[in-house]
Amino acid sequence: EVQVLESGGDLVQPGGSLRLSCIASGFAFSGNAMVWVRQAPGKGLEWVSVMTAGGTTFYADSVKGRFTISRDNSKNTLYLQMNSLRADDSAVYYCAKTKGTNLRYYFDYWGQGTLVTVSS
Amino acid sequence: QSVLTQPPSVSGAPGQRVTISCTGSSSNLGAGNDVHWYQHLPGTAPRLLIYANTNRPSGVPDRFSGSKSGTSASLAITGLQPEDETDYYCQSYDSSLRGFVFGIGTKVNVL
Repeated sequence: EVQVLESGGDLVQPGGSLRLSCIASGFAFSGNAMVWVRQAPGKGLEWVSVMTAGGTTFYADSVKGRFTISRDNSKNTLYLQMNSLRADDSAVYYCAKTKGTNLRYYFDYWGQGTLVTVSS
Repeated sequence: QSVLTQPPSVSGAPGQRVTISCTGSSSNLGAGNDVHWYQHLPGTAPRLLIYANTNRPSGVPDRFSGSKSGTSASLAITGLQPEDETDYYCQSYDSSLRGFVFGIGTKVNVL
């Protein structure tokens, strides 16, 4: 059974940092691209970042230069390092497994999300 | 403002058919990129409903169907049921943005 489980969400002050983790099981983690998607309160889903199986990374313009995605295939774990956090980064952050080729991915398994609140 | 345009809400009585539109542009749907649909109850894990325009994952009822033509796509729900009352999102890849894009989401109301 495929499972993804996020952790690391917390209350953090503006300008602070946080690292989210996503541990996956039930599939060949190292062979799959993985994504982070977020949902701010009252808003829709917003793609944040993707890391391909080969290690290539892409970011939404809203987080470029502040967030870093990484993975540890030995631990089946995806990370999102978030720096210089702003109030508009407050959201539930979801990790998802992808399927597809040549970046034309869709997201077939999602976690329950972890809540990040940026506030003083 | 989302790259993919969806209506904020649609409504239907139990047993009826509703459709949700998703309109893109020449850099996403019009570039031949597939559209995918998700069902999402806020606070829970989103669920993949339709992938690659028309395909249903195992376990998704055949009441849900998808289509795509040019820069537009749609999700149809037939035989509407009370448990279908939640949010639905379309998603694709945008070749100009070099990233993934979602619609704003459509709330389905079961009257």
